[in-house]
Amino acid sequence: QQQVKQSPQSLIVQKGGIPIINCAYENTAFDYFPWYQQFPGKGPALLIAIRPDVSEKKEGRFTISFNKSAKQFSLHIMDSQPGDSATYFCAATRGAQKLVFGQGTRLTINP
Amino acid sequence: NAGVMQNPRHLVRRRGQEARLRCSPMKGHSHVYWYRQLPEEGLKFMVYLQKENIIDESGMPKERFSAEFPKEGPSILRIQQVVRGDSAAYFCASSPTGGFGEQYFGPGTRLTVT
Repeated sequence: QQQVKQSPQSLIVQKGGIPIINCAYENTAFDYFPWYQQFPGKGPALLIAIRPDVSEKKEGRFTISFNKSAKQFSLHIMDSQPGDSATYFCAATRGAQKLVFGQGTRLTINP
Repeated sequence: NAGVMQNPRHLVRRRGQEARLRCSPMKGHSHVYWYRQLPEEGLKFMVYLQKENIIDESGMPKERFSAEFPKEGPSILRIQQVVRGDSAAYFCASSPTGGFGEQYFGPGTRLTVT
């Protein structure tokens, strides 16, 4: 019930391509779905987040698509750059409670 | 506004010693969370604290681990009698009072047990 499943585990995309990372959750009580970006040796950085009353949110080159009925959400990175190469984590929570993280996706953007 | 601060950034302990990790939340943030990240793995929740209260410790191992967030000063995660399996990155996150779930992470403390 508390799990968040993330795929793929790793992803390689050419510069300018649109990597897509998918997550699925089980607990319908979750009401906040953030994405974090983590570079090696650094802490996770909050990238973008969405609430279930919205189906899509864009911030710069990053877009979250949210499908409440399917209990799925995804991250799209437009015009990807080598500097976007990092590990991306989806997560879910309810209110001020703990974040439940997906397993992470190691993204590589080739020049 | 300074971000979440953690110290030390790297900590080496021999088996059996104690490790003490500190976290200062962002200004105006009253919620503190600790997460552990094993090498090549995701982040696992350990404990959620508010000032002087443990709200949720469901992810904390029952033995050797403790956490506090006193009225004054940083939050402390204490690991007694460390073992090799405790080697990991420990991250602290904070969120604002009245927020809607957003958590901001510190740079982490990388614990190595030799």
